Amino acid sequence: GDSVTQMEGPVTLSEEACLTINCTYTATGYPSLFWYVQYPGEGLQLLLKATKADDKGSNKGFEATYRKETTSFHLEKGSVQVSDSAVYFCALLTGRRALTFGSGTRLQVQP
Amino acid sequence: KAGVTQTPRYLIKTRGQQVTLSCSPISGHRSVSWYQQTPGQGLQFLFEYFSETQRNKGNFPGRFSGRQFSNSRSEMNVSTLELGDSALYLCASSPEGLAPDTQYFGPGTRLTVL
Repeated sequence: GDSVTQMEGPVTLSEEACLTINCTYTATGYPSLFWYVQYPGEGLQLLLKATKADDKGSNKGFEATYRKETTSFHLEKGSVQVSDSAVYFCALLTGRRALTFGSGTRLQVQP
Repeated sequence: KAGVTQTPRYLIKTRGQQVTLSCSPISGHRSVSWYQQTPGQGLQFLFEYFSETQRNKGNFPGRFSGRQFSNSRSEMNVSTLELGDSALYLCASSPEGLAPDTQYFGPGTRLTVL
C-alpha cells in the first residue's frame, strides 16, 4: 500500500539556520505530494504541493521538489524563523482520494 | 472565501455515548473528507463524500459513519464511544470533480471520551 516516511523529530534549530526535513514515499501510480503544517491547537494548513515529477512547490520561503527517481519530496528553507516552529507533515494523494500522511516532524526554532 | 468550519471545537463525552460532528466546506467545494488524528496512530483517513455519496472509506469500524447533505455540508457520527476514540477529528474539503484535488482542512473537533 501507499506510505510516507519522514525523518524523526524534534528538529531544533537556531533562528536563521537552514532547514531540511526528509520525506520519501511509496505509492502505486503517480501521486500528488503535499506538505502541511500544524501549529499548536490548530488544524492542518497547506504549505505547498507538487503534482508531477520535477515540479517544485514553494510558499513562504519553503520549497520542495518532486523527485520521482528517488521517490522523495524533501522540505527546505534557507533561513528559519521562530514563527516557523510547528509540526510538518508530508502527504501523498492518489486516485483513491485519501491523503496518506507521514508521522510528522516537530520543528523547534530558538531565538 | 471562508475556510472550512467545524463545530463544535471541543467535546467531552463518556463511554457508550454517541456523538455527531459537523463540517461546512469551503463554498463551491463538493468533496468532504474526514480524518482522525491521535498521538499513537497519527493521521488516518476515515471516509470521503461527494455529491451525498460515500466514495471511499478507511479502515475503521462501523461505529464510525457519516453523511453529506445537498449543500455539501457533512456530518460524522461515532456511536458507542470508546476511550480510544479520543482524538482530533479533522474535516477537509476539496473542489474536485473527476480528478483528486488539494484538500483544505478545518480547525478540527477535539473529542475527549471519559
